[in-house]
Amino acid sequence: GQNIDQPTEMTATEGAIVQINCTYQTSGFNGLFWYQQHAGEAPTFLSYNVLDGLEEKGRFSSFLSRSKGYSYLLLKELQMKDSASYLCAVRDYSGGGSYIPTFGRGTSLIVHP
Amino acid sequence: DTAVSQTPKYLVTQMGNDKSIKCEQNLGHDTMYWYKQDSKKFLKIMFSYNNKELIINETVPNRFSPKSPDKAHLNLHINSLELGDSAVYFCASSQERRGGDTQYFGPGTRLTVL
Repeated sequence: GQNIDQPTEMTATEGAIVQINCTYQTSGFNGLFWYQQHAGEAPTFLSYNVLDGLEEKGRFSSFLSRSKGYSYLLLKELQMKDSASYLCAVRDYSGGGSYIPTFGRGTSLIVHP
Repeated sequence: DTAVSQTPKYLVTQMGNDKSIKCEQNLGHDTMYWYKQDSKKFLKIMFSYNNKELIINETVPNRFSPKSPDKAHLNLHINSLELGDSAVYFCASSQERRGGDTQYFGPGTRLTVL
């Protein structure tokens, strides 16, 4: 089975940097995703890591350590519009040549002025 | 030019009724999914379909029956609705035949069972 842990809620100040951590335990790991979900909307893709290291995309970066079962999403120069839920998701092998995405419970980020 | 669309956006119904939610994707993706997001915002996969074939069926009551008439459509039929079925249901698609890759979500259907 899979177990994905991330903090329930975080708060930060506009212009600051915030790091959202995610730890996972899975038997057939094949990649880790971060998605952003604003209230009342659908999740949207932010980043994908399958190898160890840091992936940078503008203000957002994502890091993966497969040996530690650990990832983080780093948000720089925070803006009010970054207030949203951030979902960590693992691509796990489910058998028969297929993979399944499993989501964590999400971290609600509140950015205040 | 909507990528993944679902109808209806809102669905309010009485306990015991049967209802359907429709989903279509125009991305040419091979795999489609249904998710349930409860009041605590936990997003849980229900089904995964690859080119009209059921790949994954998580622990879901058999009152829920997905149907895929073709690769671009995956509908969800729910029989004998219960109060606990109230949630937001998201349809999604992904490019790879093996599944589990980047998910493209529809706007969601908010189901309320009274």
